[in-house]
Amino acid sequence: GQQVMQIPQYQHVQEGEDFTTYCNSSTTLSNIQWYKQRPGGHPVFLIQLVKSGEVKKQKRLTFQFGEAKKNSSLHITATQTTDVGTYFCAGFYGGSQGNLIFGKGTKLSVKP
Amino acid sequence: GAGVSQSPRYKVTKRGQDVALRCDPISGHVSLYWYRQALGQGPEFLTYFNYEAQQDKSGLPNDRFSAERPEGSISTLTIQRTEQRDSAMYRCASSSREGNTEAFFGQGTRLTVV
Repeated sequence: GQQVMQIPQYQHVQEGEDFTTYCNSSTTLSNIQWYKQRPGGHPVFLIQLVKSGEVKKQKRLTFQFGEAKKNSSLHITATQTTDVGTYFCAGFYGGSQGNLIFGKGTKLSVKP
Repeated sequence: GAGVSQSPRYKVTKRGQDVALRCDPISGHVSLYWYRQALGQGPEFLTYFNYEAQQDKSGLPNDRFSAERPEGSISTLTIQRTEQRDSAMYRCASSSREGNTEAFFGQGTRLTVV
């Protein structure tokens, strides 16, 4: 079946440092979504990228979709303690494969 | 409803018993997904529906697992003859249309098989 690989598994940063998580699929994606899950919570949608090479920004968060639509990244500038949680990418392959496949996530901890 | 509702929130069952987990999606949402999430892992796809039709059940681990959504709204995930390895958080999500839009997750059902 389809797989979405995500690295790193963990990231510990000092408050104010930047953070990046990367997502990769072996086959072309129709779109990719990003979710954040706080400790004890459920995944919450952040954004969806659809177009090849697309870049979207949400305040300190920058999301990119690769030209080949096989990889994506999430970059957080100047992390804050409120950024703590696990960030998941989820790939949608489209066509008859309508399921949304999640990566294993990157757990971010921020030291104040 | 206002959000995706799952019940029960917690379920402890003895090995060998059957369990039924319920998901009430956001009203009018077309797609409904079931995931299983182990601690520290990402949601693992189990199955999904568009309206009442089960589109893909390739993620169901074995034939003890089944799901239905008979009227295109509420869905039930049933696990027969539970085993300890079935212990996990089971999450349901719904979206307004298939796959290419935001999925809203419920709080999940924590299943413990003893």
